[in-house]
Amino acid sequence: QVQLQQWGAGLLKPSETLSLTCAVYGGSFSGHYWSWIRQPPGKGLEWIGEINHSGSTNYNPSLKSRVTISIDTSKNQFSLKLSSVTAAATAVYYCVRVQNDYTGQSHGMDVWGQGTTVTVSS
Amino acid sequence: DIQMTQSPSSLSASVGDRVTITCRASQSITSYLNWYQQRPGKAPKLLIFAASSLQSGVPSRFSGSGSGTDFTLTISSLQPEDFATYYCQQSYSTPWTFGQGTKVEIK
Repeated sequence: QVQLQQWGAGLLKPSETLSLTCAVYGGSFSGHYWSWIRQPPGKGLEWIGEINHSGSTNYNPSLKSRVTISIDTSKNQFSLKLSSVTAAATAVYYCVRVQNDYTGQSHGMDVWGQGTTVTVSS
Repeated sequence: DIQMTQSPSSLSASVGDRVTITCRASQSITSYLNWYQQRPGKAPKLLIFAASSLQSGVPSRFSGSGSGTDFTLTISSLQPEDFATYYCQQSYSTPWTFGQGTKVEIK
């Protein structure tokens, strides 16, 4: 079965760039969108953006100017960069697989990484 | 963006109780509504997709219903492992958005 393993720096200073990578094991990389979700401490879930194997991306407009999601199909990995972070970026970040039907319609996020806690503090 | 509103924000229930959580979308999302369970310190888990389809491996005591703007997640007989926070999420249009969560606590 598909597993996601993620990693990246856990402590940043304000104005730095958050960088996380997620590796996909045990399944097909194509045919899905791959997303990043974050959850601030004690709060709900926020979708950051997604990418497919062709490199097509969708971003949350609230973060679009500072987010870049990229993909390396040779390594079955995708990555997140969020620039100019502030304390508001403190959260657990998850990489996830978007489940879709044969038409490409999304039907939720069915595989999740273990989560990476990112803290932004001076 | 499509706003998702859940009610209640929290509830207390006993093992064996029937529990219902409601999710309302700010516009019609037809049946593109998904439900997740999140236990403390863990990643969310997909329970229901397309409003009423049970994700593989999820116990049949979980069910979903609704279409348009109003949706419901029902747990027919609450089990100890069901005490968690539940989120709805629309997959009608990006940006994908989530409800604020409903915490199910032990009475």
